[in-house]
Amino acid sequence: AQSVTQLDSHVSVSEGTPVLLRCNYSSSYSPSLFWYVQHPNKGLQLLLKYTSAATLVKGINGFEAEFKKSETSFHLTKPSAHMSDAAEYFCVVTPGYSSASKIIFGSGTRLSIRP
Amino acid sequence: GAVVSQHPSRVICKSGTSVKIECRSLDFQATTMFWYRQFPKQSLMLMATSNEGSKATYEQGVEKDKFLINHASLTLSTLTVTSAHPEDSSFYICSARLFGQGAYNEQFFGPGTRLTVL
Repeated sequence: AQSVTQLDSHVSVSEGTPVLLRCNYSSSYSPSLFWYVQHPNKGLQLLLKYTSAATLVKGINGFEAEFKKSETSFHLTKPSAHMSDAAEYFCVVTPGYSSASKIIFGSGTRLSIRP
Repeated sequence: GAVVSQHPSRVICKSGTSVKIECRSLDFQATTMFWYRQFPKQSLMLMATSNEGSKATYEQGVEKDKFLINHASLTLSTLTVTSAHPEDSSFYICSARLFGQGAYNEQFFGPGTRLTVL
């Protein structure tokens, strides 16, 4: 069975400090993995995606994530947090074995930035 | 590219009325669109998968007679909430997958529609 677990429901960091949002997945097939960001009352915006190319993926707004198969993880990081990064972040996995495959959402991590 | 729009962005209606939400892929064709529902401070819940020219596939527990989905063209899917009640109040989000692309490709999300039923 496929699943995705976001280990922290809420992360709070100070502006200018590093951000780490953790995501672990379970998939029987080679998955595609995504991170999306959602600001209040807005839709989802793609930050980055992994689709079996480079294991270190760089996204928008200075975010990056590393696919670690041995740890079944795809943690999202950013070296220096900005106030505008405050939002909800979703880790998403697609099993990818069929065009009919549905994507599986993590429960989300709310990122707060302290001034 | 790959922009998805939703209309309306916000709707308030009286209990018992029906509400239609449109989801459009603006610059690409989408044979498959998805409808999600999101409650406050929660993740997205897939309601149904909408395929152009065929019946939608509903997730378990989602009433197909309550949430009518029509995908009449490669760029438009509609969700109609029939006889809406206050418990249907929620944030509805659609997404679309590029035509011919498999599940390994991302879905493009609309900005969402906030439905409030009085």
